[in-house]
Amino acid sequence: EAQVTQNPRYLITVTGKKLTVTCSQNMNHEYMSWYRQDPGLGLRQIYYSMNVEVTDKGDVPEGYKVSRKEKRNFPLILESPSPNQTSLYFCASSFDGFIAKNIQYFGAGTRLSVL
Amino acid sequence: AQKITQTQPGMFVQEKEAVTLDCTYDTSDQSYGLFWYKQPSSGEMIFLIYQGSYDEQNATEGRYSLNFQKARKSANLVISASQLGDSAMYFCAMSLDRGFQKLVFGTGTRLLVSP
Repeated sequence: EAQVTQNPRYLITVTGKKLTVTCSQNMNHEYMSWYRQDPGLGLRQIYYSMNVEVTDKGDVPEGYKVSRKEKRNFPLILESPSPNQTSLYFCASSFDGFIAKNIQYFGAGTRLSVL
Repeated sequence: AQKITQTQPGMFVQEKEAVTLDCTYDTSDQSYGLFWYKQPSSGEMIFLIYQGSYDEQNATEGRYSLNFQKARKSANLVISASQLGDSAMYFCAMSLDRGFQKLVFGTGTRLLVSP
């Protein structure tokens, strides 16, 4: 089954404790992206990757890191989480990032609470 | 800059009736894509329908259709014969066809379908 898999689905942590949210897709997609969803703001892009070893900042990259060492994986790293990073996070992928019509498929989401 | 506006925070509809969810967009680009996603209470983002800026016909997918009015920069989602399972948040999003694919989302409309 074609899918984007995020783990964990739920996470409660404390300020300053490094964490990683994993994202994996099995569709051989070149483009992957991370979004955060906050009430009243819709989804906003954090980082994206056009291919292996090619990543760039989205609209809200502060406090996050990413890496793309393999085509299928695109982990999101919070080196020192803060309460304002409490949010619902989505990973998404599409066939490639160059054409607007390529549909982005989303993972099930990771609900993060930083205390 | 791209912007998506969804002016209806919430909508109510009775089962079996049709409902229109509004979406207007702002871009100076000529080539772009418009998407609708559904987010049920379980949280995942489900792709519903896509419309390209050069598509002459309105997109349709089963009970979903997209009323695309390019001159008015609107891309309203029409759900025909509403079902209880249609109760969810609905997001309109846009992607530009230049360089990289970034989805810009509206703030969403919560649809409640009553029996």
